[in-house]
Formats: sequence, C-alpha cells, structure tokens
Amino acid sequence: AQSVAQPEDQVNVAEGNPLTVKCTYSVSGNPYLFWYVQYPNRGLQFLLKYITGDNLVKGSYGFEAEFNKSQTSFHLKKPSALVSDSALYFCAVRDPSGGSYIPTFGRGTSLIVHP
Amino acid sequence: DARVTQTPRHKVTEMGQEVTMRCQPILGHNTVFWYRQTMMQGLELLAYFRNRAPLDDSGMPKDRFSAEMPDATLATLKIQPSEPRDSAVYFCASEGAGSSYEQYFGPGTRLTVT
Repeated sequence: AQSVAQPEDQVNVAEGNPLTVKCTYSVSGNPYLFWYVQYPNRGLQFLLKYITGDNLVKGSYGFEAEFNKSQTSFHLKKPSALVSDSALYFCAVRDPSGGSYIPTFGRGTSLIVHP
Repeated sequence: DARVTQTPRHKVTEMGQEVTMRCQPILGHNTVFWYRQTMMQGLELLAYFRNRAPLDDSGMPKDRFSAEMPDATLATLKIQPSEPRDSAVYFCASEGAGSSYEQYFGPGTRLTVT
C-alpha cells in the first residue's frame, strides 16, 4: 500500500526567507510524486511533479522539489517566500506498479508567510 | 483556458434531501475523480472513472452515495438521503490520457446539510 506523510501541519516563514515544506512517502515500486497548492475557497492546483529523470524538479511560481530515494522524501522548496505563497500545500504519490494509479494525498501543510 | 467546472458551488439542504453535484471535466480528459475534503479527514477519494467506466468507488458510502458519468462531458455525484455528516467540500478532478498524471481540480461544491 502506498502512503504519504506531511509531518508539519503548519509552516511559518518570513517573507524573503527560504521555505521548505516536507513530504515523505512509501510505495512498493518507483513513485510518481506531486505537489499541489490550494488557495482559500479554491480547488487544488498542480505545482510540480517527479516521474523520472533529474531529481530536482522545478515548477510553477518559483517552487522546486527534490526527489530523494534513499530518504523517501520529496520536499518542496522556494528560495525566497512571498506573502502570496500563503496557502495549503499537498503532497501526493502514485505507485505505477500497483496498476490502478490512484493517487494518495497527504493531509496538507498550511504555509504562512509573514510580511 | 480549459478548466474543470462544478455546479452548484454552494448547496445548503436539510437532512434527508437528495443532493446532486455535477462536474464537467476538461474536454478530452478521460479520467474523472471525485474527492471529499473535510478538516477532520482531509482529502478523501470517493470514486473515479476512466473512459466513463467506474474503476473504483471503494471510498464511497454505497448505501447513500452514487456516482455516474452519463457522457464524457458530465460526471454526477448523488447523495440520497443526505445527512449532516456529509457536510464537506466535494471536488471533481480530471486527467487526460498521456498527461503524466497531473490532475486538474474544479472549484468544488461546498455542501452543508442541516
């Protein structure tokens, strides 16, 4: 069975500082990994993904994430946070070896960027 | 600008009433997911369809929930009878064949059952 954990319910960071939102996963095969962002009263919006290739993936709005197979992690990062980055962030995993490709989402991490 | 649409955006109903939520996936997308989001449970997968065929509805309470895709441009989620514990935001998401598994979410239907 696949699973994903976001160990922090909330991350606080000052505007201009780097941010990290953590995600760890568990799958039986090679994972497909995703980050989504949800702004208030909106649906989830795709940010970036790792399927194969370079472990460092870049996505929308200056976000990036690094796939670390040995640590089974896929942390989301941004060098300089903006107040407008404040939102709920979800990590998701899919296990292609499972055949069904059903995604499993983490519980979400609330990112608060202070001016 | 292709996007997933959902109607209604908000629904307030009394316990025992039937609720129907509709979703129009992005044109050409062949996979549709229904999710429920609550503070307590987070994001839960209720059901999903590929090429209009239901593939998994194990997350859905079978006695009161039903999901269908009458055609490729419409997915429906019905609750009958509704209960207060069904109060949540219901999201539809679609995914295209060969899209590398990126899901596109609709804006959601906020359901309140009193």
